[in-house]
Amino acid sequence: AQSVTQLDSQVPVFEEAPVELRCNYSSSVSVYLFWYVQYPNQGLQLLLKYLSGSTLVKGINGFEAEFNKSQTSFHLRKPSVHISDTAEYFCAVSGNTGNQFYFGTGTSLTVIP
Amino acid sequence: DSGVTQTPKHLITATGQRVTLRCSPRSGDLSVYWYQQSLDQGLQFLIQYYNGEERAKGNILERFSAQQFPDLHSELNLSSLELGDSALYFCASSVASGGDYEQYFGPGTRLTVT
Repeated sequence: AQSVTQLDSQVPVFEEAPVELRCNYSSSVSVYLFWYVQYPNQGLQLLLKYLSGSTLVKGINGFEAEFNKSQTSFHLRKPSVHISDTAEYFCAVSGNTGNQFYFGTGTSLTVIP
Repeated sequence: DSGVTQTPKHLITATGQRVTLRCSPRSGDLSVYWYQQSLDQGLQFLIQYYNGEERAKGNILERFSAQQFPDLHSELNLSSLELGDSALYFCASSVASGGDYEQYFGPGTRLTVT
């Protein structure tokens, strides 16, 4: 089985500062990794995904994430955040042997003007 | 707009009652997933259907059941409702079955059990 740990439940950051949201996973099989964003009162939207290949993945809205197999991590980064990035961010993992998706508990990113 | 629709948007009901949540996937998507999002448990995968057949099961209670119809819409039935069932229920769809396919989420149904 897989599981996901998001190490920070809340991350406040000033506008135009860089941010990193941390995600660690555990799995006994090869995994696919995802980051989703949830804006207030909305459903989840895919930011980026890692399936295979290059370990640095670029997504929408200037976000990127790096897959680190040895550290079983998939941290999300953005070099300069905007007010509009204030949202809940979820890391998710699925395995190539099944269809279950496991989500982390989420990180609430608050961008301070 | 993800293309996934869910009805109703809000539902308020009493303990012991039964409700049905409905989901229409994006055009062309064959897979439907159901999730429960609550403050204390986060986002929990409940169940997945692919082209009418159950494909994967997560933390779904026996009081809950789901099905996917020939037109690919899906319904989640919740019975003998308890206060703890109050949550946001999301439906997601993907073009195929498999962990590598992106899921598109609907706006959710907020269920309040009083």
